[in-house]
Amino acid sequence: EAGVAQSPRYKIIEKRQSVAFWCNPISGHATLYWYQQILGQGPKLLIQFQNNGVVDDSQLPKDRFSAERLKGVDSTLKIQPAKLEDSAVYLCASSWDWADTQYFGPGTRLTVL
Amino acid sequence: GNSVTQMEGPVTLSEEAFLTINCTYTATGYPSLFWYVQYPGEGLQLLLKATKADDKGSNKGFEATYRKETTSFHLEKGSVQVSDSAVYFCALSNMNRDDKIIFGKGTRLHILP
Repeated sequence: EAGVAQSPRYKIIEKRQSVAFWCNPISGHATLYWYQQILGQGPKLLIQFQNNGVVDDSQLPKDRFSAERLKGVDSTLKIQPAKLEDSAVYLCASSWDWADTQYFGPGTRLTVL
Repeated sequence: GNSVTQMEGPVTLSEEAFLTINCTYTATGYPSLFWYVQYPGEGLQLLLKATKADDKGSNKGFEATYRKETTSFHLEKGSVQVSDSAVYFCALSNMNRDDKIIFGKGTRLHILP
């Protein structure tokens, strides 16, 4: 069974630029999560989708971050414009349903200069 | 709100040593407790979990017991290997649709041959 795929694996941008990350969850998983993991900290949930609907985006900085999962499968996370403090690893995870085990992708390491 | 506190790393041990990584939590209700592991260059993986008081989760020689009286979920392994070198995250969730997983800051483990 293929795992959660993310791309790119690494991205370096300058502040005020835009960036987008892509996630392909495990086939059939209804729930998809985006986490932000700042160096030295545990992952923090940014947004949770159930199929193509948003369940929780309470910790998403909506003035600059956006995410979508239009067809209930792949998802993109966008930052526009980026700030220095957005430097982090962005993790995507998926699960069969909201109470099930989450499977994580390898993450995208973002560096904002 | 819910929170997780785990011992700071890095923890450095020799191969075959006994491992304990402490984790305590604060939560309302009766959360489920987890240990995740992140090997170098990979995404987080669920290592073990416990869903109620006195439950013991175990996997790959690791164990953790859900202690409600001390609000703890310490990770133990009797004889560590070099391949156990990774970052370990303690986490909790109330497993309700609107509750997110809360992660600790992680503990980096180095095992010397």
